[in-house]
Amino acid sequence: GQQLNQSPQSMFIQEGEDVSMNCTSSSIFNTWLWYKQDPGEGPVLLIALYKAGELTSNGRLTAQFGITRKDSFLNISASIPSDVGIYFCAGPFTSNAGGTSYGKLTFGQGTILTVHP
Amino acid sequence: DSGVTQTPKHLITATGQRVTLRCSPRSGDLSVYWYQQSLDQGLQFLIQYYNGEERAKGNILERFSAQQFPDLHSELNLSSLELGDSALYFCASSGGIFTGELFFGEGSRLTVL
Repeated sequence: GQQLNQSPQSMFIQEGEDVSMNCTSSSIFNTWLWYKQDPGEGPVLLIALYKAGELTSNGRLTAQFGITRKDSFLNISASIPSDVGIYFCAGPFTSNAGGTSYGKLTFGQGTILTVHP
Repeated sequence: DSGVTQTPKHLITATGQRVTLRCSPRSGDLSVYWYQQSLDQGLQFLIQYYNGEERAKGNILERFSAQQFPDLHSELNLSSLELGDSALYFCASSGGIFTGELFFGEGSRLTVL
């Protein structure tokens, strides 16, 4: 089955530092997504990438869709304490045939980010 | 607030028992997804329903079953519970065409003793 390998598994950084994490897959994806899970909450979508080579920003977050379509990167600049949480990459396996839709979203193992004030 | 409601938030039960987790999707969303999150397995896709019909299946055990009702709420039934079933169970919903953007509830934490 599809597997996403996400690294690093955890990061401990000082407030103000930049953060980089990445995700690789053995399969090609047409979409890459990055989610964040705050403690005690469900994951929330941060950024969606729909085109190989695409670079997309959302505030201090920047994500890139790798040219090979088998990888993606997420960068967080000037980290702040509220950036703490688990960051997941995700790739969908979909079918939108016949006007209906189904999809399995496969998640990476997550990167646990801790930010020290 | 994602608009997805899950109950109960916490549940403690014994091995061999059966429990039902409930999910109300965002208003207007036709698809409901169930995920299991455990410490060693991350977020695992269990099953998807679209407008009452099963659409996609993941690594869902035979002891587990789900359904989506005409009012679009969904239930996940877990039976013959084992210690290893202890996990966070998330429900998510999305609109018509699947794009990968899912709206997750806050989860139901199941502890099997």
